[in-house]
Amino acid sequence: EAQVTQNPRYLITVTGKKLTVTCSQNMNHEYMSWYRQDPGLGLRQIYYSMNVEVTDKGDVPEGYKVSRKEKRNFPLILESPSPNQTSLYFCASSRNPTDTQYFGPGTRLTVL
Amino acid sequence: AQSVAQPEDQVNVAEGNPLTVKCTYSVSGNPYLFWYVQYPNRGLQFLLKYITGDNLVKGSYGFEAEFNKSQTSFHLKKPSALVSDSALYFCAVRDITGTALIFGKGTTLSVSS
Repeated sequence: EAQVTQNPRYLITVTGKKLTVTCSQNMNHEYMSWYRQDPGLGLRQIYYSMNVEVTDKGDVPEGYKVSRKEKRNFPLILESPSPNQTSLYFCASSRNPTDTQYFGPGTRLTVL
Repeated sequence: AQSVAQPEDQVNVAEGNPLTVKCTYSVSGNPYLFWYVQYPNRGLQFLLKYITGDNLVKGSYGFEAEFNKSQTSFHLKKPSALVSDSALYFCAVRDITGTALIFGKGTTLSVSS
């Protein structure tokens, strides 16, 4: 089944404790992206990747890092999480940026 | 500036009635427009898209959308709403760099039986 998976689905952590949210797709997509969803703000792009080893900042990259060492994986790293990063995070992938994006199920992160 | 506006936070409609969820956009050049739906505790699912061609686009689950260039709108429609259509709907447009989608804030559709 074609899908985008994210782990963990739910995470509660404390300020400053490094964490990684994994994202994996099995559709051989070149484009991958991370979004955060906040009430009243819709989805905002954090980082995106056009291909392996090619990443770039989206609209709200501060406090986040990403890597793309393999085509299928695109982890999101929070080196020192803060409460304002409490949000619902989505990973997405597509063949290219203008094609239909397939979204993962989301990761609800709470930073205390 | 590029933007997408969904002017209604919530739309309420009775089952069996037609529904419309509004979307207007502002982007340079020819727009690539999308509608996604989010059910509770789920990720976003693609409904339909407009890139070029016929202004009336048909998508999943009986939804359609009409592209209107003069009004810069891309409203989502369905002739007969179902209770199961109740969800959060997002309109999106490809940004000018072609590297991202710009999403609206979302509209909650509530269909009552």
